[in-house]
Amino acid sequence: GAGVSQTPSNKVTEKGKYVELRCDPISGHTALYWYRQSLGQGPEFLIYFQGTGAADDSGLPNDRFFAVRPEGSVSTLKIQRTERGDSAVYLCASSVGKDNEQFFGPGTRLTVL
Amino acid sequence: GDSVTQMEGPVTLSEEAFLTINCTYTATGYPSLFWYVQYPGEGLQLLLKATKADDKGSNKGFEATYRKETTSFHLEKGSVQVSDSAVYFCARGYGNNRLAFGKGNQVVVIP
Repeated sequence: GAGVSQTPSNKVTEKGKYVELRCDPISGHTALYWYRQSLGQGPEFLIYFQGTGAADDSGLPNDRFFAVRPEGSVSTLKIQRTERGDSAVYLCASSVGKDNEQFFGPGTRLTVL
Repeated sequence: GDSVTQMEGPVTLSEEAFLTINCTYTATGYPSLFWYVQYPGEGLQLLLKATKADDKGSNKGFEATYRKETTSFHLEKGSVQVSDSAVYFCARGYGNNRLAFGKGNQVVVIP
C-alpha cells in the first residue's frame, strides 16, 4: 500500500517568508509525528498528533512553528518568518498500535536563503 | 545529556567484514529501542527493534540485543555487503509517542 507522502520534496524560500509543509500519513494510522533533521544529525522530535489533537508539542523550537491536523489525517507544518537556521529536512512519520513503530516519509528539504 | 549516544565517525570496511555500531541510551524504566537505516536517496526505514531487556531484534542479517545492565543496543552484522552502505540511526522511544535518535553512523562497504 501507499506509504507516508510529503509535499513538496524541496522548498526554497527567503528569510522572513512563511512556508507550509504537508504530510499524508498511511491510511488508518491515527498517530502522526513531525521531526527535523539537520545536516549530519539524527532526526529531532517536533510534535506528535493523536487523531486531530497535538498530544505533545514539546519539541517545537519556538512560536514561529505551528502544526495542524484538522481531520485526523493530513497534517500541515507551518513556519512563520523563516530564518536561515530553519533550513533542514522535515520528516513526517505515522504509526498505529504500540511500541512506537513509525513509518517515515521521504521528507521535505527546506532551504532558507 | 543526550538520551541516545552513537559511536563517533563514519565506518568504512571491506565486503564480508564484521560490523559493529555502538549505541548506548539513558533511560528511566524500560524504553523500546530501535535501529533505523537510511539508504542513499531514500527515507528512514525501521531495521529492527527490541521492546524489553534481553530481547534480540534481527533483520536482514543484522542483530541487536537490549542490554539493560550496560544500557546498550549495539548493532552487529557478521558479513556486510556493499548494499549495506547507508546511515544507521539508533533510537529510543518515550512512552508511546516520540523517538529520540542518535546522530547516526555512515557505513561505507568497499568491494
